[in-house]
This record gives sequence, C-alpha cells and structure tokens, in this order.
Amino acid sequence: DTAVSQTPKYLVTQMGNDKSIKCEQNLGHDTMYWYKQDSKKFLKIMFSYNNKELIINETVPNRFSPKSPDKAHLNLHINSLELGDSAVYFCASSQVVLTEAFFGQGTRLTVV
Amino acid sequence: AQTVTQSQPEMSVQEAETVTLSCTYDTSESDYYLFWYKQPPSRQMILVIRQEAYKQQNATENRFSVNFQKAAKSFSLKISDSQLGDAAMYFCAYRSAHGGSQGNLIFGKGTKLSVKP
Repeated sequence: DTAVSQTPKYLVTQMGNDKSIKCEQNLGHDTMYWYKQDSKKFLKIMFSYNNKELIINETVPNRFSPKSPDKAHLNLHINSLELGDSAVYFCASSQVVLTEAFFGQGTRLTVV
Repeated sequence: AQTVTQSQPEMSVQEAETVTLSCTYDTSESDYYLFWYKQPPSRQMILVIRQEAYKQQNATENRFSVNFQKAAKSFSLKISDSQLGDAAMYFCAYRSAHGGSQGNLIFGKGTKLSVKP
C-alpha cells in the first residue's frame, strides 16, 4: 500500500536509447511532480501536473516528455538518452499544491 | 526568484547530543511554507517537519524542532537526543502559498549529518 510508487528503482541503459519511468500515487492527490537529483544531491523541479494538466515545465531538454493519463499517474519518457541524464529521478505528489509533497523512492538512472 | 541556502555541507554530532542545522531563504512573498526533509542512504525522501509562515509558533515533532525567524528569513532545525538513525542528508525546502507554477518545492543543497556512537 505504498503511497507514491515508481518503477523501476534502477535503470541502466546505453546512450541513445529511449526509456520510461512510471509513477503512481494512491493518495488521491491532484498534483504530481518530477524532480531530478544530480550527483551532488541537488534536487530540482522538472515538471508539475495538476489534474492531468501541465503547470510547471522547467528548462529541461525536450527529450524529456511527461505524460499523465489520469491524475493518479505521471510517467516520464526520455528519448535519446545522454550520459548527462544519469541521475536519480523522483516522483512526488501533493494536494492543491499547498501541502508538503510525498515522494516516491526514486529511480536511479545510469546511462553508459 | 526564491532561493534556499544551507551553509553547512556536513555536520557531525555525538549520539544523544543536540545538533542544529541552518537554513536561510530569500523571498519577497509573505505567505509560504517551509519544510525539512530527510534523505537516508535508502534514498527515500522523508518529511521531518513543516512550518507555515503565518504561524509564529515554532513547529515541533518529537525530537525535531525548528527555530523560525521570519524577519531574518531563517529556518533552522534542531535535533535533540540524536540517534544513529538520524544520520542522513537533510534538505531545507520552500514552497510558495500561491500555488500554480509557484507551487513546487525549492530545495537547498543539503546538509549531510553524521552521528557518532
């Protein structure tokens, strides 16, 4: 009964491949996020969706495309993976964007 | 734009002692929320404590308490009776109360806390 779950936890892939990370929340929250944590542990927002609509799209390469089929799911698709995409990607959710965010366990992406 | 600064990249505390982690932030807003998140080696982001800017009373959660100084834009975390399980990265975070595109969390760079037995 995990609140925010991401799959996979680990992802190792070659440069140039396309990959997806899935996220699901069962908290009934209306807002979901993708954050990126780099090798220095710095966390930065990438995208935010509210009720399936994009409300934040920070400056990320357009190789990254979020998709929200419903308000409980927010997937992240990455095209033409590059070495610099290696990081930990966190999915999170919150209610009405005014409360604390609940995070998934993170996906460690390694591009070789 | 809002910024969050954690000036202590690493801290160390003896088990059972008290430690304070510093956080300052910059904003022109009057309504916002502040948080401390803990990230142990398991990588999971765990909410430790939250503070609403409109509340003067400092938040407390068991051994964790904050010193919120709104005028000084300071939000420090005090951990009392430190335990080995407190060893982790601690992130201070800011969120606007206005929602929309301002509703995401803005994080500091983190403080790595070590607890010595």
